[in-house]
Amino acid sequence: AQSVTQLDSQVPVFEEAPVELRCNYSSSVSVYLFWYVQYPNQGLQLLLKYLSGSTLVKGINGFEAEFNKSQTSFHLRKPSVHISDTAEYFCAVSDPYNFNKFYFGSGTKLNVKP
Amino acid sequence: GAGVSQSPSNKVTEKGKDVELRCDPISGHTALYWYRQSLGQGLEFLIYFQGNSAPDKSGLPSDRFSAERTGGSVSTLTIQRTQQEDSAVYLCASSLGAGVSSYEQYFGPGTRLTVT
Repeated sequence: AQSVTQLDSQVPVFEEAPVELRCNYSSSVSVYLFWYVQYPNQGLQLLLKYLSGSTLVKGINGFEAEFNKSQTSFHLRKPSVHISDTAEYFCAVSDPYNFNKFYFGSGTKLNVKP
Repeated sequence: GAGVSQSPSNKVTEKGKDVELRCDPISGHTALYWYRQSLGQGLEFLIYFQGNSAPDKSGLPSDRFSAERTGGSVSTLTIQRTQQEDSAVYLCASSLGAGVSSYEQYFGPGTRLTVT
């Protein structure tokens, strides 16, 4: 089974500062990669995805992520965060042998302070 | 349009009782997933339905857990003889199930299950 690691359970950051949320996975073979966001009292929604092509993927709300195959990482970044970005962020990776099956990390709570 | 809905939103049950959790996917979505989110944990894959194919049950933690999907739409997750460790938020998601958009899952709000 695929292993997905989000090392930071909580990330506090001040408004307008840059942020990086880290995600590493275990499989070295081709996989699909995703970031989902869960705002307070809401369901998870897709932020961005990497299926193939350019390793830099842009998503909604100014977020982007970079796929690094050699480091098996898919870190999420935003150059300037807003209060409204306060949420929990989940990294997800497809099963390398079944692309319709997914494994999720434990989540990173981003707390943006004024 | 309507998103994925789940019922009940909250369920408190006594240890040993059976519970049923319901999921209504987005109309036209052929793929349906169940996940479990325990406190401080990520989403744990439970089961996956794709069209008329046999479901992938590889994530079900024990034979007390079962799920069915009737008519390719509504799904019910049943937990028999509930245990305290079953307490968690149970999330349902659906996706188109075909093409590159099949990998985008739409999640319901979840059912919070508490076993006392």
